[in-house]
Amino acid sequence: SAVISQKPSRDICQRGTSLTIQCQVDSQVTMMFWYRQQPGQSLTLIATANQGSEATYESGFVIDKFPISRPNLTFSTLTVSNMSPEDSSIYLCSVGLGWEQYFGPGTRLTVT
Amino acid sequence: KQEVTQIPAALSVPEGENLVLNCSFTDSAIYNLQWFRQDPGKGLTSLLLIQSSQREQTSGRLNASLDKSSGRSTLYIAASQPGDSATYLCAVTDTNAGKSTFGDGTTLTVKP
Repeated sequence: SAVISQKPSRDICQRGTSLTIQCQVDSQVTMMFWYRQQPGQSLTLIATANQGSEATYESGFVIDKFPISRPNLTFSTLTVSNMSPEDSSIYLCSVGLGWEQYFGPGTRLTVT
Repeated sequence: KQEVTQIPAALSVPEGENLVLNCSFTDSAIYNLQWFRQDPGKGLTSLLLIQSSQREQTSGRLNASLDKSSGRSTLYIAASQPGDSATYLCAVTDTNAGKSTFGDGTTLTVKP
């Protein structure tokens, strides 16, 4: 199994600012995933982060808005840039180990 | 592109009832299917994982089945309890890419 921690757990930010979310895993993993869960909705994949290469973004998400770092096999960051109220969501990181997907506790972001 | 649908969107039952949640998906290639529980404002708790080669998994009062040929999975909850009240999410994972596609969830309310 995998234990995933995220920082911060929640934040309230002003429009136009940026927030960096950290994700730490207790195992070395090749791929880490970032998801967004908007209020009342399900999870949508933002991007896949591989160590040593550029992140791969899903349709509708771009690197300028959601830059991702993956400096090693246990850590990743997601930055939400130039925030607007529409970015208010829960952001979750995830890894796959064996056959199972594991999720962090999420970062609840509110943009005012 | 994989699409995952969950029916019903919401369900309210009296305590003690047995119930079935449904999940359907469009691409039945080599995928794993995982059921999660999400409590309000919280992260995801994995309930059951069914590998693509399996038909069924059981854990306590929960039983999940998978029929790849029809693109369907069901989550059966026996003798429901108020503590089962939560949103249940079905996720289909591409085992090669490692990324998951989520349904919109079923919000379950079990009344005492």
